[in-house]
Amino acid sequence: ETGVTQTPRHLVMGMTNKKSLKCEQHLGHNAMYWYKQSAKKPLELMFVYSLEERVENNSVPSRFSPECPNSSHLFLHLHTLQPEDSALYLCASSQGDGITDTQYFGPGTRLTVL
Amino acid sequence: GDSVTQMEGPVTLSEEAFLTINCTYTATGYPSLFWYVQYPGEGLQLLLKATKADDKGSNKGFEATYRKETTSFHLEKGSVQVSDSAVYFCALSDRGGGADGLTFGKGTHLIIQP
Repeated sequence: ETGVTQTPRHLVMGMTNKKSLKCEQHLGHNAMYWYKQSAKKPLELMFVYSLEERVENNSVPSRFSPECPNSSHLFLHLHTLQPEDSALYLCASSQGDGITDTQYFGPGTRLTVL
Repeated sequence: GDSVTQMEGPVTLSEEAFLTINCTYTATGYPSLFWYVQYPGEGLQLLLKATKADDKGSNKGFEATYRKETTSFHLEKGSVQVSDSAVYFCALSDRGGGADGLTFGKGTHLIIQP
């Protein structure tokens, strides 16, 4: 595996379900990100982790709960979601050193909340 | 706060036509600027970047020049192909040291007709 991988690629869940999205990066980076991509809207930054510590949380509802157990893995735990949470969720990673800014994205998880 | 404005489209061109996608930004610091491309069903891929004023990023025949005086980073290609059909995102990273989320424009859907 190379680059940034995400599983599952597609997820359908009811509003009462609990599920988790997984992201793994194979680039040796130390910063990871979750973004939400909705139709007709710019990508929204949700969470930033640097050296496994959360450094940014852009007013995301508590029904989204991130977890970063190590520098290669990032999870997004979902519970009691709403239909408007249906979107493409993208994970990215970067070197996080303030010098090399380029972020590398995974293919995304297409989430549908019924 | 930081923001990125780009033409939304869709932009429809014939094969071998000249392409320009406009992008302007506002930022408090000295950002790095990026163009990402998203093909159908995939995540975002870095197309090119520029990290300081007057830098020119280039890749796969695409070019963009960092213009600080006009706060712009327009994407150009001399002769487009059907395979260039995708959504193009302009983005900035306002480096403050360490990890930093990207600020994206809404994306421009490009359609190239044979």
